[in-house]
Amino acid sequence: SAVISQKPSRDICQRGTSLTIQCQVDSQVTMMFWYRQQPGQSLTLIATANQGSEATYESGFVIDKFPISRPNLTFSTLTVSNMSPEDSSIYLCSVGRSSGYTFGSGTRLTVV
Amino acid sequence: KQEVTQIPAALSVPEGENLVLNCSFTDSAIYNLQWFRQDPGKGLTSLLLIQSSQREQTSGRLNASLDKSSGRSTLYIAASQPGDSATYLCAVEYGNKLVFGAGTILRVKS
Repeated sequence: SAVISQKPSRDICQRGTSLTIQCQVDSQVTMMFWYRQQPGQSLTLIATANQGSEATYESGFVIDKFPISRPNLTFSTLTVSNMSPEDSSIYLCSVGRSSGYTFGSGTRLTVV
Repeated sequence: KQEVTQIPAALSVPEGENLVLNCSFTDSAIYNLQWFRQDPGKGLTSLLLIQSSQREQTSGRLNASLDKSSGRSTLYIAASQPGDSATYLCAVEYGNKLVFGAGTILRVKS
């Protein structure tokens, strides 16, 4: 299965600022996925990122708040913009194969 | 609406017990079903993947079953150990999208 390196692992940010999370995969993949896990909750899909096209966002998530880049088949970034305390969550990237989905180790974001 | 439900929400058992975690889903048109483990503040570790054409998968002390017609899956853990303490997540794949249950928090007491 694919190996995903995600960073940063955690950060504490001031409200109103932005944070960019990076995910690097050890092999080429067509689609990468970004999830949010709010405190005490399960995972919710934010968007699907394809190389060379705009990301597809799920209901309730917008590009202005969560811009995504996918410059090549092994890398993607998610930016959390104009942060508020409600954005405090774990953010995870994921890739899928016939052998199932693999997740990065997650970014624990705290907004103060 | 595609929904995934996990029961129980939390479970505490003494070491050595066999246990069953339950997962149900509303839409039976699934691609695959995957069980994950999540330790506090960490990412997800894949435990077992059951493809839609399969009925069960086994890995070590873990056995997962799938009944598409009834919209159910179970994760059986044999001879539980304190190291099994974690949150167990059931995720159902529809197309290229995973829908997660809320998870079962398992505590195995030594």
